[in-house]
Amino acid sequence: EAQVTQNPRYLITVTGKKLTVTCSQNMNHEYMSWYRQDPGLGLRQIYYSMNVEVTDKGDVPEGYKVSRKEKRNFPLILESPSPNQTSLYFCASSYRTGEQFFGPGTRLTVL
Amino acid sequence: LAKTTQPISMDSYEGQEVNITCSHNNIATNDYITWYQQFPSQGPRFIIQGYKTKVTNEVASLFIPADRKSSTLSLPRVSLSDTAVYYCLVGDFNDMRFGAGTRLTVKP
Repeated sequence: EAQVTQNPRYLITVTGKKLTVTCSQNMNHEYMSWYRQDPGLGLRQIYYSMNVEVTDKGDVPEGYKVSRKEKRNFPLILESPSPNQTSLYFCASSYRTGEQFFGPGTRLTVL
Repeated sequence: LAKTTQPISMDSYEGQEVNITCSHNNIATNDYITWYQQFPSQGPRFIIQGYKTKVTNEVASLFIPADRKSSTLSLPRVSLSDTAVYYCLVGDFNDMRFGAGTRLTVKP
């Protein structure tokens, strides 16, 4: 089954404790991206990647890192999480100009 | 970067056709128009994509006039399960932005 998976689905952590949210897709898509969704602010792009070893900042990259060592994986790293990063995070993948497939979301709470 | 404007909310009744219009006055030549649907706490789901004229699939139609400065998503015979937020996106694959979307409420 074609899908985008994210782990963990739910995470509660404390300020400053490094964490990684994994994202994997099995559709051989070149393009992957991370979004965060907050009430009243809609979906905002954090980072995107056009292919392996090619990443670029989206609209709200501060406080986040990503890497794209393999085509299928695109982890989101929070080196020192802060409460303002409490949010619902979505990973997505697509072919160029094609429909984006979204993962189920990761609900992160930073205390 | 093409900015989009959609109504914040719309109400409809089961069985009616719903048309949601999106304005994108500064759309660029290379830009596609894509619509997504999102239910609470789920990732957006692709509905339809088009470049010009009319596109139809099994769930919706997309009407794009010749000047491409707007587009209309048409949902035939909506049901309660179509209650969701609908997003219009305009751009090339690496600069698409989600706006606030249109919250569609379908009533019995």
